[in-house]
Amino acid sequence: GESVGLHLPTLSVQEGDNSIINCAYSNSASDYFIWYKQESGKGPQFIIDIRSNMDKRQGQRVTVLLNKTVKHLSLQIAATQPGDSAVYFCAENTGRRALTFGSGTRLQVQP
Amino acid sequence: NAGVTQTPKFRVLKTGQSMTLLCAQDMNHEYMYWYRQDPGMGLRLIHYSVGEGTTAKGEVPDGYNVSRLKKQNFLLGLESAAPSQTSVYFCASSYSSSGLAGDRNEQFFGPGTRLTVL
Repeated sequence: GESVGLHLPTLSVQEGDNSIINCAYSNSASDYFIWYKQESGKGPQFIIDIRSNMDKRQGQRVTVLLNKTVKHLSLQIAATQPGDSAVYFCAENTGRRALTFGSGTRLQVQP
Repeated sequence: NAGVTQTPKFRVLKTGQSMTLLCAQDMNHEYMYWYRQDPGMGLRLIHYSVGEGTTAKGEVPDGYNVSRLKKQNFLLGLESAAPSQTSVYFCASSYSSSGLAGDRNEQFFGPGTRLTVL
């Protein structure tokens, strides 16, 4: 799988701003996508999911956008809070009951 | 409900030693998974199980074995630990649905086991 070694891409935003985290996926046959949040020392936590027959899905303060043409997924977080600081992973379901995870983006929220 | 639990939380092994990591879930999920996560990287699938008594290889299965004797438990074994297996190990479980394409496959993760092999 893809790897960025020890240096995760980092997005730094001011508290209250909107955040956009991007993810490129690899398999055009993937039919289901999930965004996970992982805080330091914890396991990943589900944020939001989207099926391939949708372009957009909204949750509480979060929106996921899917562009199948360019195999791109994004997570938008509205009014980012310090508690949103974490590493965010996108994951794709390649149809074999298992997920393939991206390498993650670290979100840092400045007070 | 406790969700997904893992034991132990931490372990240090010497090269060549063996150990078993235990994962338990109380959500009656059919599917269970073992992942490893190395520093600054995403999770990589080691093995998974689609039901009691069945297991399958994931992306990085070499050096590991698994067993699913009971629906609620999924064990990960290292027969002869190597320094390359130093990692954080996560177990996850998910429910099964109709089997149609596009099934929801939200996975619930345990807190992780930090393993160091010297």
